[in-house]
Amino acid sequence: EMQLMESGGGLVKPGGSLRLSCTASGFTFSSYSMAWVRQAPGKGLEWVSSISSTGNLISNVDSVKGRFTTSRDNAKNSLYLQMNSLRTEDTAVYYCARVVRFGTNWFDPWGQGTLVTVSS
Amino acid sequence: DIQMTQSPSSLSASVGDRVTITCRASQSITSYLNWYQQKPGKAPKLLIYAATSLQSGVPSRFSGSGSGTDFTLTISSLQPEDFATYYCQQSHSTPRYTFGQGTKLEI
Repeated sequence: EMQLMESGGGLVKPGGSLRLSCTASGFTFSSYSMAWVRQAPGKGLEWVSSISSTGNLISNVDSVKGRFTTSRDNAKNSLYLQMNSLRTEDTAVYYCARVVRFGTNWFDPWGQGTLVTVSS
Repeated sequence: DIQMTQSPSSLSASVGDRVTITCRASQSITSYLNWYQQKPGKAPKLLIYAATSLQSGVPSRFSGSGSGTDFTLTISSLQPEDFATYYCQQSHSTPRYTFGQGTKLEI
């Protein structure tokens, strides 16, 4: 069974840092691009970042450029999101998802999410 | 960036009803459109990919249609477990993606 499991969320002060991890199992992690998606409390889904299977291509939503860095370790089947200079508006549940490519792209499966709260 | 607009934002319906949710893209995305279902406190779940393809394991009462800028998700006969929030997503501008704002389907 394919599974993704996020960890590393928590409470952090504005301006602080946090590193999220996503551990994959049940599929060949190194063959897939991965993505981070977040959801602020009571709000919709927002794509945050994507990384190619080898890690050499990364794209971020404008609101996190220069602050968030996505990386991966294929030997550990793990995806990471380093979040610096956090703002209150970064408060959200952060999901990781596998990017499936077959002509077009879609996200499946998703992890259960990890909550990041930015507050003083 | 491509903007995705869903309508309605919320919808009240009854078990057995036929329901249609619309998603419109700000420019043509051909068939690069996916639909997800999210229940409270849970992760989103893929329903439809490439505008019309049903994900394995998803009941056949769900269907998708459209191309270009206008897309629809139809539930042919609502079941109690279908009350959730539905999101469309464009993947035309890969690796940058955009979601619609969501449609909350309520009893």
